[in-house]
Amino acid sequence: DAKTTQPNSMESNEEEPVHLPCNHSTISGTDYIHWYRQLPSQGPEYVIHGLTSNVNNRMASLAIAEDRKSSTLILHRATLRDAAVYYCILRSNSGGSNYKLTFGKGTLLTVNP
Amino acid sequence: AAGVIQSPRHLIKEKRETATLKCYPIPRHDTVYWYQQGPGQDPQFLISFYEKMQSDKGSIPDRFSAQQFSDYHSELNMSSLELGDSALYFCASSRGGGAGNSPLHFGNGTRLTVT
Repeated sequence: DAKTTQPNSMESNEEEPVHLPCNHSTISGTDYIHWYRQLPSQGPEYVIHGLTSNVNNRMASLAIAEDRKSSTLILHRATLRDAAVYYCILRSNSGGSNYKLTFGKGTLLTVNP
Repeated sequence: AAGVIQSPRHLIKEKRETATLKCYPIPRHDTVYWYQQGPGQDPQFLISFYEKMQSDKGSIPDRFSAQQFSDYHSELNMSSLELGDSALYFCASSRGGGAGNSPLHFGNGTRLTVT
């Protein structure tokens, strides 16, 4: 599985934007970039995913570098409810056993009031 | 909107007992995944099913087995429980065989405690 690298932790203030980086230098052409987050004692929650172009949804934005070797999850206005572990995961579209999500070490986001 | 339903939410068993965890995917989702998350750990993939057939296998002990039924719900059967099996067990579902473009939707998990 192609690997991702994220900072262990980040801190933000409420109402401010948060940029969560992810490096994936070994990404292949068929890999989608997925982001999930996990709040304490809850199951992981899908946030956003993309392939090549930047993506926006009601939760966040995903900015993908032109060479696809890195990406950034953007929370436009952090709230206390955004405090969670954020996982950047590459998910192959090439079939078979590559469809599973492999969780690595995510980024623990702390949001200060 | 309907979410992934897992039951029971909490389960306490003794060593060497058996346990069955159930997962009901989102309607029209044909793929189910099972994950195990130990204390302070990241979720670890156990096994997945697509259209009632096993599609992938991860670090699932031989003491565990799982299946997906005709109504797409899935059950994880765990035998000869050990203290180290104490963890949160998550089920997730997706549509279309789990293609890379299809997000996974997770349940809130079953917390298994083995004493």
